[in-house]
Amino acid sequence: AQSVTQLGSHVSVSEGALVLLRCNYSSSVPPYLFWYVQYPNQGLQLLLKYTTGATLVKGINGFEAEFKKSETSFHLTKPSAHMSDAAEYFCAVSDPFSSGSARQLTFGSGTQLTVLP
Amino acid sequence: NAGVMQNPRHLVRRRGQEARLRCSPMKGHSHVYWYRQLPEEGLKFMVYLQKENIIDESGMPKERFSAEFPKEGPSILRIQQVVRGDSAAYFCASSPDKASEQYFGPGTRLTVT
Repeated sequence: AQSVTQLGSHVSVSEGALVLLRCNYSSSVPPYLFWYVQYPNQGLQLLLKYTTGATLVKGINGFEAEFKKSETSFHLTKPSAHMSDAAEYFCAVSDPFSSGSARQLTFGSGTQLTVLP
Repeated sequence: NAGVMQNPRHLVRRRGQEARLRCSPMKGHSHVYWYRQLPEEGLKFMVYLQKENIIDESGMPKERFSAEFPKEGPSILRIQQVVRGDSAAYFCASSPDKASEQYFGPGTRLTVT
């Protein structure tokens, strides 16, 4: 079984400051990893994903994340926060070796990011 | 290319009524997933369907919940005899195949009074 832990349900940063949202996973196999963003009353938008290859993944809106197998982590970062980054962020994993059924996503409980002026 | 469409966006039902949530996948996508997001929680997988087939319903409550994805028309998530605990946001996602990225719709927010 897979699980995802997002440390910090609420994170506040000042505009222009570094954004760091933490994600740790538990999986019996190297998983596929995802970060999604959800704006109020909207669906989820994929920010970035890691499947194979380079462990530093760049996504949209200046976000990036690094897969660290030894730490079972996939933290999301952005060098300089913008007011428009205020949203809820979800880390998710899927099992790339699942057979038969879909690669269902297992989500963390989310981190609400507030950007202060 | 329109994205994943869900309707209604908001649905209010009294306890004991039925709720029907609809999901139209992106054009060319034949794989549909339903997730439920309870307040203050992440999304939880419910069911995965392909056209006319339920492939994985391991996340569906055993009673009152059902899903279908007919050959023609949208996928339907049906909740019979709703209870207050069913109040949540229900998201649909679609993909062209099971290995590809899932694209999410805007969700249906169900409120049971």
